[in-house]
Amino acid sequence: NAGVTQTPKFQVLKTGQSMTLQCAQDMNHNSMYWYRQDPGMGLRLIYYSASEGTTDKGEVPNGYNVSRLNKREFSLRLESAAPSQTSVYFCASSATYSGANVLTFGAGSRLTVL
Amino acid sequence: GENVEQHPSTLSVQEGDSAVIKCTYSDSASNYFPWYKQELGKGPQLIIDIRSNVGEKKDQRIAVTLNKTAKHFSLHITETQPEDSAVYFCAAPDSNYQLIWGAGTKLIIKP
Repeated sequence: NAGVTQTPKFQVLKTGQSMTLQCAQDMNHNSMYWYRQDPGMGLRLIYYSASEGTTDKGEVPNGYNVSRLNKREFSLRLESAAPSQTSVYFCASSATYSGANVLTFGAGSRLTVL
Repeated sequence: GENVEQHPSTLSVQEGDSAVIKCTYSDSASNYFPWYKQELGKGPQLIIDIRSNVGEKKDQRIAVTLNKTAKHFSLHITETQPEDSAVYFCAAPDSNYQLIWGAGTKLIIKP
């Protein structure tokens, strides 16, 4: 029972470089999410996919793009990394998209942009 | 939109004592209030949640209370143990079903 798997766990980038964070879930969940976590700010939603084939912006989408590759996989891309994107990124999934979503999170990906 | 405030930011209690973390929310239409626990190096994990038609919910040493009139909800942990040390987050959904999160409370259990 892997749950939600994120790769890589750690990454260091230089300003302007691009990278993709990968996320896969094996729970047959319909909805997937990308959050960033910064000290003292809780979790902020970057993008989400309520169901396969759809993606929508969350609270802080600028500088990011996403792809819902299939029901299992949801990737987050930084096209031109900036130091402000230094953060811990979490992928999550839920069975459905509703007002009472129970989220299952991955272990996180720590990104540092120099 | 929804705004969630969480207090305190750090809470230190003696092992065996109780701990209480409080959150306030702004959107009176919110009807679902989860609490997540995040251990070091891991993602958050749901530990208990409550819906707006219920005032209190318990699960062993953990309980959540909801006061809809005052728009606040609280997490209560009794008989604290070392494994309760973690960061706890509250959340509430906005009108688009997106969870808005509190800033987190670091709970330290002193032996």
